[in-house]
Amino acid sequence: DIVMTQSPDSLAVSLGERATINCKSSQSVLYSSSNKNFLAWYQQKPGQPPRLLIYWASTRESGVPDRFSGSGSGTDFTLTISSLQAEDVAVYYCQQYHSIPGTFGPGTKVDIK
Amino acid sequence: QVQFVQSGAEVKKPGASVKVSCKTSRYTFTNYAIHWVRQAPGQRPEWMGWISAGNGNTKYSQKLQGRVTITRDTSATTVYMELSSLRSEDTAVYYCARGDYGDSLVPLGYWGQGTLVTVSS
Repeated sequence: DIVMTQSPDSLAVSLGERATINCKSSQSVLYSSSNKNFLAWYQQKPGQPPRLLIYWASTRESGVPDRFSGSGSGTDFTLTISSLQAEDVAVYYCQQYHSIPGTFGPGTKVDIK
Repeated sequence: QVQFVQSGAEVKKPGASVKVSCKTSRYTFTNYAIHWVRQAPGQRPEWMGWISAGNGNTKYSQKLQGRVTITRDTSATTVYMELSSLRSEDTAVYYCARGDYGDSLVPLGYWGQGTLVTVSS
């Protein structure tokens, strides 16, 4: 199985400041034939299912605010929230969908400082 | 708007089985695979498997192979996930989910509300 790790475990950011979350996969999730990274980011608030934010490592899902952006390739990825809003308090997960099983990272908890 | 409505919470004893349903609506049922993802308390989500709603083909996580069975009823546009030989580690919220294409691993943009399954003696 591809093992996903994330850093940090948690972070607290002031309103309007940038939040950066890192995700690393134990093997590349880039398909060279399509040049696409099979990596997604989800946001989860308490008592709710995960919400898809980003797929193909950097494509924003419809309706997701443009303060959320994804970058990276191969084994190293980043989710950036450019200007943290109160409603962004949540746990964020990365997931690879390159190989079965589609494994998730352990999550990063984002709070307001 | 795509909609998934899951069955209610269950409490089961170790060794028993549980069957969770996911009623889908507002899209063409046979065009998409349905995935099941579970999440134990305070843990990361865990992908369990999928079923092609069109042809009924399934794919399961090797970890759960032999204990999980996903089926569908096309006339009822409903998907079922049955987990057998339950143990305490199976206590989790179980979600059905869908992507936007294909019978494969995909980003999951649509989710059910979740069904809590508690395994306790």
